[in-house]
Amino acid sequence: DGGITQSPKYLFRKEGQNVTLSCEQNLNHDAMYWYRQDPGQGLRLIYYSHIVNDFQKGDIAEGYSVSREKKESFPLTVTSAQKNPTAFYLCASSSNQPGQGTPGKPQHFGDGTRLSIL
Amino acid sequence: AQKITQTQPGMFVQEKEAVTLDCTYDTSDPSYGLFWYKQPSSGEMIFLIYQGSYDQQNATEGRYSLNFQKARKSANLVISASQLGDSAMYFCAMRGGRDDKIIFGKGTRLHILP
Repeated sequence: DGGITQSPKYLFRKEGQNVTLSCEQNLNHDAMYWYRQDPGQGLRLIYYSHIVNDFQKGDIAEGYSVSREKKESFPLTVTSAQKNPTAFYLCASSSNQPGQGTPGKPQHFGDGTRLSIL
Repeated sequence: AQKITQTQPGMFVQEKEAVTLDCTYDTSDPSYGLFWYKQPSSGEMIFLIYQGSYDQQNATEGRYSLNFQKARKSANLVISASQLGDSAMYFCAMRGGRDDKIIFGKGTRLHILP
């Protein structure tokens, strides 16, 4: 079955450590996204990518980095510069907007990764 | 800039009653899409319903309908005959703009009472 796989499900980070969250999709989607969700809050956009080898900062990109070397994969690195990384991280993918006047399709989401500080 | 506002942080509704979850949006782009997602306590995001800015009819999907009032920039979700399993967090989202971002509101936590 097609879908989005995020791993690991739970992740613990030590002080000063970088950690990488994996996101893989087999839906043949061009666009991929990373969101952060704090308890009881909405989703905030970290980074997004519409095409391989290209990505843009979202609303809260500081302290995070991404790469998009393959269409299927969009890993997120939480760097030591992110001082409050404890959150639920969701990866999503979608078809690109087909054109002006056709606002496009919804996203498919992975099951998320819960990141905590040790 | 695009913005989504959900003004109801929490709602309590009796089982079998209809419920309306509010969503207003702001965008200067004429082409956009509006979505509603359900997030149970397990955390996964479940797509419920979609409305395109050029759609003439309100979207419906089973017990879900979207009350789209373009002039007011509102896209309220209506759930008919609520069930206990509808208890969850509900998010309104918008896609559009030159950079084709997808942004979310802060959500409404819905509690269905038996």
